[in-house]
Amino acid sequence: EPEVTQTPSHQVTQMGQEVILRCVPISNHLYFYWYRQILGQKVEFLVSFYNNEISEKSEIFDDQFSVERPDGSNFTLKIRSTKLEDSAMYFCASTHGLRGGTEAFFGQGTRLTVV
Amino acid sequence: AQSVAQPEDQVNVAEGNPLTVKCTYSVSGNPYLFWYVQYPNRGLQFLLKYITGDNLVKGSYGFEAEFNKSQTSFHLKKPSALVSDSALYFCAVRAPRAMDSNYQLIWGAGTKLIIKP
Repeated sequence: EPEVTQTPSHQVTQMGQEVILRCVPISNHLYFYWYRQILGQKVEFLVSFYNNEISEKSEIFDDQFSVERPDGSNFTLKIRSTKLEDSAMYFCASTHGLRGGTEAFFGQGTRLTVV
Repeated sequence: AQSVAQPEDQVNVAEGNPLTVKCTYSVSGNPYLFWYVQYPNRGLQFLLKYITGDNLVKGSYGFEAEFNKSQTSFHLKKPSALVSDSALYFCAVRAPRAMDSNYQLIWGAGTKLIIKP
């Protein structure tokens, strides 16, 4: 069964450092997403991406965040200068289309710890 | 504001007994409803969804969910629980949009399901 893969599974970084979280969406999917889950809190939408541009972003997704699809397979989330409050589990997801009942496929997540 | 509520942080069920994990939502219009499961050190795995039609939908691993429009609920059920069903379960809603131009899931807080042998 096709799956979304994320690397690394766990990243520890010092406050102020840049991190790049990587994702390989399902190969025939066209829409890509990042969500995050701070420990003990709900999963939150960050950003959606289609046709090499951001299609929607939440209030969380400020100027410190950026996304990129550098090649035909990878989809990355960059945090330029990490803060303690960026510590969370980050999930990548993809969908084939946008029809209402389309389910999203999620990766296993990257646990980011900012110290 | 749109929201999803999972009123129980944890549900404990004996193996072989039926289980229910509750979910209610507050979304304008007719929502699309999803259940995902998260096993330890694994990603969010799709279980089932409601789009339209029959209020009882069946999904993976013997799970089913019942959509109740009047109660704005979408409870997850299984007739006979297995120890291997122990995991974290998330209810999610996608609000309908006129242009259907984007895809954003609104999540419940999750319910930890513990099945005891």
